[in-house]
Amino acid sequence: AQTVTQSQPEMSVQEAETVTLSCTYDTSESNYYLFWYKQPPSRQMILVIRQEAYKQQNATENRFSVNFQKAAKSFSLKISDSQLGDTAMYFCASMYSGGGADGLTFGKGTHLIIQP
Amino acid sequence: DTGVSQNPRHKITKRGQNVTFRCDPISEHNRLYWYRQTLGQGPEFLTYFQNEAQLEKSRLLSDRFSAERPKGSFSTLEIQRTEQGDSAMYLCASSWEGAGEQFFGPGTRLTVL
Repeated sequence: AQTVTQSQPEMSVQEAETVTLSCTYDTSESNYYLFWYKQPPSRQMILVIRQEAYKQQNATENRFSVNFQKAAKSFSLKISDSQLGDTAMYFCASMYSGGGADGLTFGKGTHLIIQP
Repeated sequence: DTGVSQNPRHKITKRGQNVTFRCDPISEHNRLYWYRQTLGQGPEFLTYFQNEAQLEKSRLLSDRFSAERPKGSFSTLEIQRTEQGDSAMYLCASSWEGAGEQFFGPGTRLTVL
């Protein structure tokens, strides 16, 4: 079984600042994916960034990057130059990459508020 | 194709009634997932299809819940004899085998009175 823990229920930063959201996970699998999903208020979940566990290089997508520490089972998300549109719930998730079994395992989420 | 769609978007029902939700995945995706999300929580996996075969079911999926995906296209999730504890957002997602990432629909919000 996989577990995902997000220890920050809510964070608030000023526009243009950099913010880091924390995530730790536990899995007995050796092949897995890690994801950050964004869920804006009353809108659907969208993928922010993904990381394959076998890759040592940290994934980046424009202003979003991750710090993947496999030994520590840590997967934090860094948002640079934050924008008002980044306000949303952010969910960290893991999934075994050997098949679809169990789907995604999500953390409880971090509510990120970007202040003008 | 504009993405994963779900209908209805909102459903209010009385305790004990049956409800059915529909999910239309992205057309080229062969995997389809159902999740349940309660207020303040992350989504929880319910079940998963690869084409028309239901390959995995969570222990959260009691015998009052049933899901189908005839012909490997759209999927339905039925809840029989609804209970107030079934009130939640029901999310559908689809993916292509081996791609990893799942694409989510807007969800169906169920309220059981």
